[in-house]
Amino acid sequence: EIVLTQSPGTLSLSPGERATLSCRASQSVSRNDLTWYQQKPGQAPRLLIYGASNRATGIPDRFSGSGSGTDFTLTISSLEPEDFAVYFCQQYGTSVTFGGGTKVEIK
Amino acid sequence: QVQLVQSGAEVKKPGSSVKVSCRTSGGTFSTDGLTWVRQAPGQGLEWVGRIIPILNKPNYAQKFLGRVTITADKSTTTAYMELSSLRSEDTAIYFCARVSQTLAPGGDHYYYYMDVWGKGTAVTVSS
Repeated sequence: EIVLTQSPGTLSLSPGERATLSCRASQSVSRNDLTWYQQKPGQAPRLLIYGASNRATGIPDRFSGSGSGTDFTLTISSLEPEDFAVYFCQQYGTSVTFGGGTKVEIK
Repeated sequence: QVQLVQSGAEVKKPGSSVKVSCRTSGGTFSTDGLTWVRQAPGQGLEWVGRIIPILNKPNYAQKFLGRVTITADKSTTTAYMELSSLRSEDTAIYFCARVSQTLAPGGDHYYYYMDVWGKGTAVTVSS
């Protein structure tokens, strides 16, 4: 089973700042099938990025994904107030695993 | 517009079973994948299992083998997740989600992702 490790656990930033979130896999993610989700308290997760770098429908272009193999990054170029949330990475293969999450909080 | 409507909150005794439903509308139920994910209080997301109704062949996370059963009823476009031998650690919100796919550049494989989610069903296991 592929283990996904996200870092940092918490990111304290101010609106307008750039956020860089990391997701590292214990082995290569098949065909870079790596997905990012955003979750706010009391809500279901929301799809942001699939295939490592493809924005889902309706996702603002301040969100971008990059990486391949075992190292992936989610970047939020300039934080808006609504972006403060928890972010999860996930890989989809013969089994499905999620990272532990990164909380982006207001500094 | 695809919607997933889940059944209501449950309170169960340890050792019992729970069956959560997920009714879908607006999509192509038979060919869409459906997956179940849970989230314990204050914790991250944990995959439980998935099914593609037209194949009727579920796939479960190793951790839940022997305790979980995922089924799909094409006539009512409803998926079910039943978890047995409940223990306190199973207390969580259980989400269903549709799995969609997009052909990757080069056309030799697909990307899979959970693009529509239910609101979640709270399951509490307590004596």
